[in-house]
Amino acid sequence: DVKVTQSSRYLVKRTGEKVFLECVQDMDHENMFWYRQDPGLGLRLIYFSYDVKMKEKGDIPEGYSVSREKKERFSLILESASTNQTSMYLCASSAPWTGEGGYTFGSGTRLTVV
Amino acid sequence: RKEVEQDPGPFNVPEGATVAFNCTYSNSASQSFFWYRQDCRKEPKLLMSVYSSGNEDGRFTAQLNRASQYISLLIRDSKLSDSATYLCAVPGNAGNMLTFGGGTRLMVKP
Repeated sequence: DVKVTQSSRYLVKRTGEKVFLECVQDMDHENMFWYRQDPGLGLRLIYFSYDVKMKEKGDIPEGYSVSREKKERFSLILESASTNQTSMYLCASSAPWTGEGGYTFGSGTRLTVV
Repeated sequence: RKEVEQDPGPFNVPEGATVAFNCTYSNSASQSFFWYRQDCRKEPKLLMSVYSSGNEDGRFTAQLNRASQYISLLIRDSKLSDSATYLCAVPGNAGNMLTFGGGTRLMVKP
């Protein structure tokens, strides 16, 4: 019954490494989102996509990029990981109008950069 | 004013109690609202959707007050397993993205 799948639950990377976080959804949703969540800061939007090959910056895009080559897959890339990118990363997908059912989240990736 | 605001809590209640928390929103054009439940170190999961005046699902009731621009979540007969953070979410003007509140933490004690 899994609908949004994130490739890793836990990840440890070294400073300076290029990191790929993968997200796949099987609900044929147009919209996909990447958030990070830190204690006391809530959910912060990094990037989102409304269609294949389309991407828009969210509130905190610095240090990140994304790729959406297929409708079902939205990848988050940390170009050169830094310790301040240690966080919980959440992928979500939705119908074009989010009022129709809201978001479905993946189970999250807890990334630690050492 | 923030787009979506919640009291962070924590709300500490005994088992069996009734507890309610509110979420205020600034976009008066919003037509739908969502409550998510998030357990510690897990992802948010949809608890309830609110499309008109309110919604009820077992011990949980969500109500919408359009005039005052807030939604509320009422939990009756609280269980230990209700301990979690509750996030409210509201679609933005374009309707293609949700704005989340910071969450309200609930702790149900024996």
